[in-house]
Amino acid sequence: AQSVTQLGSHVSVSEGALVLLRCNYSSSVPPYLFWYVQYPNQGLQLLLKYTTGATLVKGINGFEAEFKKSETSFHLTKPSAHMSDAAEYFCAVKSAGRRALTFGSGTRLQVQP
Amino acid sequence: DVKVTQSSRYLVKRTGEKVFLECVQDMDHENMFWYRQDPGLGLRLIYFSYDVKMKEKGDIPEGYSVSREKKERFSLILESASTNQTSMYLCASSTPGGQEAEQYFGPGTRLTVT
Repeated sequence: AQSVTQLGSHVSVSEGALVLLRCNYSSSVPPYLFWYVQYPNQGLQLLLKYTTGATLVKGINGFEAEFKKSETSFHLTKPSAHMSDAAEYFCAVKSAGRRALTFGSGTRLQVQP
Repeated sequence: DVKVTQSSRYLVKRTGEKVFLECVQDMDHENMFWYRQDPGLGLRLIYFSYDVKMKEKGDIPEGYSVSREKKERFSLILESASTNQTSMYLCASSTPGGQEAEQYFGPGTRLTVT
């Protein structure tokens, strides 16, 4: 069974600092990988996804993620944090034969002024 | 824009009540999903449906059932609500597409069972 591990349930950064949210997956075959963001009292919104091709994926709001097969990782980064980035972030995978997503436990990002 | 709506944002029910959570999508998507979100556990799949009247159990179906009589509507039913079903419930939809098809989420229903 596939699984997703997000290291760090809470991450705090200063405004303007680098954001790094970690995601590792376990899958016997390369999966499709997603990052979603959830703002307070809202549903989930897709940030970016990796399917095939270029391993560096750019998403909305200045976020990007790099698929590293050798490390089974898909870490999310943003060069400069903004106060509006404060939210919960979920990494998810989907592999062949499964219609639904498997989610990590989420990382809550706090941005300090 | 894809729109997924859920009938209630907040719901309070008593133990033993039958509870209906409704979800409607306006993009003619074949797939619809119900997830449960709990702190530290992320989202866990309860049930999904890939066509009208078709459904499959997810990872945590116990205590829940679903109904899909029309393509745009997917209902989650708690036959006899219990306190351990207090949670945030999220509905999602997607095209059948390939594995890369993204899911679109509703705003969620926060259910409290007392």
